[in-house]
Amino acid sequence: DTEVTQTPKHLVMGMTNKKSLKCEQHMGHRAMYWYKQKAKKPPELMFVYSYEKLSINESVPSRFSPECPNSSLLNLHLHALQPEDSALYLCASSHFGGDFYNEQFFGPGTRLTVL
Amino acid sequence: GDSVTQMEGPVTLSEEAFLTINCTYTATGYPSLFWYVQYPGEGLQLLLKATKADDKGSNKGFEATYRKETTSFHLEKGSVQVSDSAVYFCALRGETSGSRLTFGEGTQLTVNP
Repeated sequence: DTEVTQTPKHLVMGMTNKKSLKCEQHMGHRAMYWYKQKAKKPPELMFVYSYEKLSINESVPSRFSPECPNSSLLNLHLHALQPEDSALYLCASSHFGGDFYNEQFFGPGTRLTVL
Repeated sequence: GDSVTQMEGPVTLSEEAFLTINCTYTATGYPSLFWYVQYPGEGLQLLLKATKADDKGSNKGFEATYRKETTSFHLEKGSVQVSDSAVYFCALRGETSGSRLTFGEGTQLTVNP
């Protein structure tokens, strides 16, 4: 299984809602990532988990809260988002360390719209 | 810091035309270099990679050679198909970047029948 799955595919939420994005992989990867991608732009790194511990937070606002409950799952909890947070949210995973970082596998993304 | 400069798009070609998308980079040492492709409505897929100078990555008819002397990693394909229409991202992972990828701005390719 060389797939990263993400749910939901689309999400529309109001600024007062709380929602969660989910990501799952079964490739034995111990590094997992959240990216944000605006239209016609490259992905921007948000968070990295290594061995289920948060290792990189790219100064992301606290209204985004990541969680890695186990080695296969990654969540992104959303609360009090702003319309400018509307974007495609991509999850990725890779093996950990050295050359193993070289191949990140991306999921199909969740298209988020904040009203 | 590390940076990637990619040929601006959009690029529009006819089927069976030759494709080149230019990519140059700035990084210390010997970064790993990648081309990712993003089809409409999908996530990114790794198209090919090269991890040391003079390596040639290839996949699905696409090729790119890691040129240290010109700090380039240009993407080429001899005969494009309509199904190659997508956005192509050049990216690098620096020697001291850990897991961080630095992406170029992306090039939109449209292939017409």
